[in-house]
Amino acid sequence: DTEVTQTPKHLVMGMTNKKSLKCEQHMGHRAMYWYKQKAKKPPELMFVYSYEKLSINESVPSRFSPECPNSSLLNLHLHALQPEDSALYLCASSLGTSGTRHFGPGTRLTVL
Amino acid sequence: AQKVTQAQTEISVVEKEDVTLDCVYETRDTTYYLFWYKQPPSGELVFLIRRNSFDEQNEISGRYSWNFQKSTSSFNFTITASQVVDSAVYFCALSEDTNAGKSTFGDGTTLTVKP
Repeated sequence: DTEVTQTPKHLVMGMTNKKSLKCEQHMGHRAMYWYKQKAKKPPELMFVYSYEKLSINESVPSRFSPECPNSSLLNLHLHALQPEDSALYLCASSLGTSGTRHFGPGTRLTVL
Repeated sequence: AQKVTQAQTEISVVEKEDVTLDCVYETRDTTYYLFWYKQPPSGELVFLIRRNSFDEQNEISGRYSWNFQKSTSSFNFTITASQVVDSAVYFCALSEDTNAGKSTFGDGTTLTVKP
């Protein structure tokens, strides 16, 4: 299996909702990432997990809460989001933190 | 601090033309990695190439070729005989060995190939 999968593909939520984004890879990669991408902009790094431990948090607001239950799974829990949080959320994985990021197809999030 | 500059915001060519996408980077590290990714309208970022700082050999893969020049801190990407399917946003990215985990992306170049 050489891909990163993400669910759901699309998500619409209200500002009071709680939802989760899921990411999975079975390539034996030990680093996993969450990126946020706004239209016509490059991906912005949010979080990095290395060996299932959070190693980088790029000063992301606490309404975004990452979780890495095991080496293959990465979640992003969302709560009390703002309309400006609407974006494409990309998950990626790599063998190590210097390795090539393999990206999932993304979840397109709309916050109403 | 690491920085990647893709000066060309948008490029438009006609099918079968050759096109070069420029990438200039800044880093203080001696060990670093450079990447090119393609993002078609569907949204998924597709990995194209990875080059480490000690390997200045140019690479060709089909219609794609990359020219890495440390002397000018550039890692340019050429598509030969472009096709409509090449239309996408192309990102150049840099990872420093001492800053592992933090890739810096350029702002991207939107390539439109017209039939």
